Amino acid sequence: EVQLLESGGDFVQPGGSLRLSCAASGFTFSNYAMTWVRQAPGKGLEWVSSISDSGGKTYYADSVKGRFTISRDNSKNTLYLQMTDLGAEDTAIYFCAKRHTNNALVPGNYFDYWGQGTLVSVSS
Amino acid sequence: DIQMTQSPSSLSASVGDRVTISCRASQGISNYLAWYQQKPGQVPKLLIYAASTLHSGASSRFSGSGSGTDFTLTISSLQPEDVATYFCQKYDTVPWTFGQGTKVEIK
Repeated sequence: EVQLLESGGDFVQPGGSLRLSCAASGFTFSNYAMTWVRQAPGKGLEWVSSISDSGGKTYYADSVKGRFTISRDNSKNTLYLQMTDLGAEDTAIYFCAKRHTNNALVPGNYFDYWGQGTLVSVSS
Repeated sequence: DIQMTQSPSSLSASVGDRVTISCRASQGISNYLAWYQQKPGQVPKLLIYAASTLHSGASSRFSGSGSGTDFTLTISSLQPEDVATYFCQKYDTVPWTFGQGTKVEIK
């Protein structure tokens, strides 16, 4: 059974930093690209960042580029999101999500498994 | 960047009704579109990918159609368990943008 378990969410002041983690199990983690998606309270879904299966390619939404860093440790089956210079607009539940396919011939990125999310709240 | 616009933003229908939700891309995305269902208090679940392919385990009441810029999610016979917010997502190129969501309620 695929499981994704996020952790690291917290209350933080504006300008602060946090590192989120997502522990994966139930599939061959190193074969799949992974993604962070966030959802502000009562709002829609926003793609944040993705990383290729090897970690060699990373992608960011403009809203977080230069502030957030996605990484992974395939030996630990864990995905990370390092967040810096946080602002109120970053307040959200952060979900990690698994790419549906490991087929490199299929373009793009959609998600068949999601974690339960971890809450990041930025406020003074 | 390509924008994804869903309509309506919310709807109320009776049990057994046929329900349709629209998702429009500001530029063509071929069939690189997915639909998700998010029930209250739950995480999103993949319903459909490649615009019309039903994901394993998703109810056959759901179907998707469209290509290019215009896409539709149809619920053939609305059931109480279908109360949720539905999101489309383009996945042709970065950024992998979601629509703003359509909230479906029972009348």
